Amino acid sequence: GNSVTQMEGPVTLSEEAFLTINCTYTATGYPSLFWYVQYPGEGLQLLLKATKADDKGSNKGFEATYRKETTSFHLEKGSVQVSDSAVYFCALSGGSNYKLTFGKGTLLTVNP
Amino acid sequence: NAGVTQTPKFQVLKTGQSMTLQCAQDMNHEYMSWYRQDPGMGLRLIHYSVGAGITDQGEVPNGYNVSRSTTEDFPLRLLSAAPSQTSVYFCASSYSGGRDQETQYFGPGTRLLVL
Repeated sequence: GNSVTQMEGPVTLSEEAFLTINCTYTATGYPSLFWYVQYPGEGLQLLLKATKADDKGSNKGFEATYRKETTSFHLEKGSVQVSDSAVYFCALSGGSNYKLTFGKGTLLTVNP
Repeated sequence: NAGVTQTPKFQVLKTGQSMTLQCAQDMNHEYMSWYRQDPGMGLRLIHYSVGAGITDQGEVPNGYNVSRSTTEDFPLRLLSAAPSQTSVYFCASSYSGGRDQETQYFGPGTRLLVL
């Protein structure tokens, strides 16, 4: 079955540091890949997505590239802000049952 | 446009009590789903629906019932609450058809504590 593995947290960075959160997946077929973000006390929001190999999703300075050869979708941001502090979830969707499979989430804390 | 709404925000139940978690969306989405979020577990799919009158089980359906009588509403019922159902519950919806169906929009969540 499908599965998503993302790096364990928590991750603590200083403002303006470079961020990488690793995500690898196992899936049959050609899944779509997502990063969702959950700010404290809120639901999940879509951050970015990619639907086919070599696609790059981007939003709010975050980027992730769909790498089929390494089955990866790592999240990066060149300069994080305090407001980026949140839990980040990598997820994939594939098949006909509309199901999203999530990683366990990575807590990011950015200090001023 | 309110998006996906959930009520209540927080609920405390005693073991054996029943309750219904409400979910509504105003985006005319055909697909709706319920997830539970537990520490260190990510989100796990409980039940989902691809349209009014059609529901199916997800990864962790035991102890939960759903029905879908309208496009807008997708309530989740706990018939006899157990402490293992203490969790945060999220409802989500999406368009159906093509890759757009895979982008799901989440509600703010219901935090449930079962004593």
